[in-house]
Amino acid sequence: SQTIHQWPATLVQPVGSPLSLECTVEGTSNPNLYWYRQAAGRGLQLLFYSVGIGQISSEVPQNLSASRPQDRQFILSSKKLLLSDSGFYLCAWRRPGAEAGNIQYFGAGTRLSVL
Amino acid sequence: GQQVMQIPQYQHVQEGEDFTTYCNSSTTLSNIQWYKQRPGGHPVFLIQLVKSGEVKKQKRLTFQFGEAKKNSSLHITATQTTDVGTYFCAGPSTGNQFYFGTGTSLTVIP
Repeated sequence: SQTIHQWPATLVQPVGSPLSLECTVEGTSNPNLYWYRQAAGRGLQLLFYSVGIGQISSEVPQNLSASRPQDRQFILSSKKLLLSDSGFYLCAWRRPGAEAGNIQYFGAGTRLSVL
Repeated sequence: GQQVMQIPQYQHVQEGEDFTTYCNSSTTLSNIQWYKQRPGGHPVFLIQLVKSGEVKKQKRLTFQFGEAKKNSSLHITATQTTDVGTYFCAGPSTGNQFYFGTGTSLTVIP
């Protein structure tokens, strides 16, 4: 069966510090991978998605970046965090191909507080 | 750009009452998914609708996809406290992107 791991669960970082959030998927190959951000009490904002190693598409220009160094690893980074980067970060995966449907499976998320 | 709106944004119901959330897209969707997010948790997939006018049921939950494939609804019969959470619809955009609805937060008062 497939599982998705996301860590850390909670993170408190000072303004201006770097960020690295990691997400890994097990039990599937060549998944489509996604990073979302959710502000408190709000909806999901798509940040980045990837259809393969080294292939990153950005939805929202900001001080965040994403990388996919391995097939089932997706990393969200920042060189200098801003207060506005606080939120709930969710990683998700989806089976590739139209015939797989559009079901996304989410990790447990990382609650980031920038102080 | 494409927009997926949900109404209402918040809903408080007495336990045992029914609940409905509506999802409206500015463009025709090839399919639509519904997710539930418990307080403090992550979104969990509930169901996917593909066909025009499709209706699917999961116990007390009834999901419907509009004939024009631009709207959808989720109806819960006789709500229970376990139904508490935020319900999101989601639809595909271009390529491999997806747009999530704004969500409906359900509170069930025991």
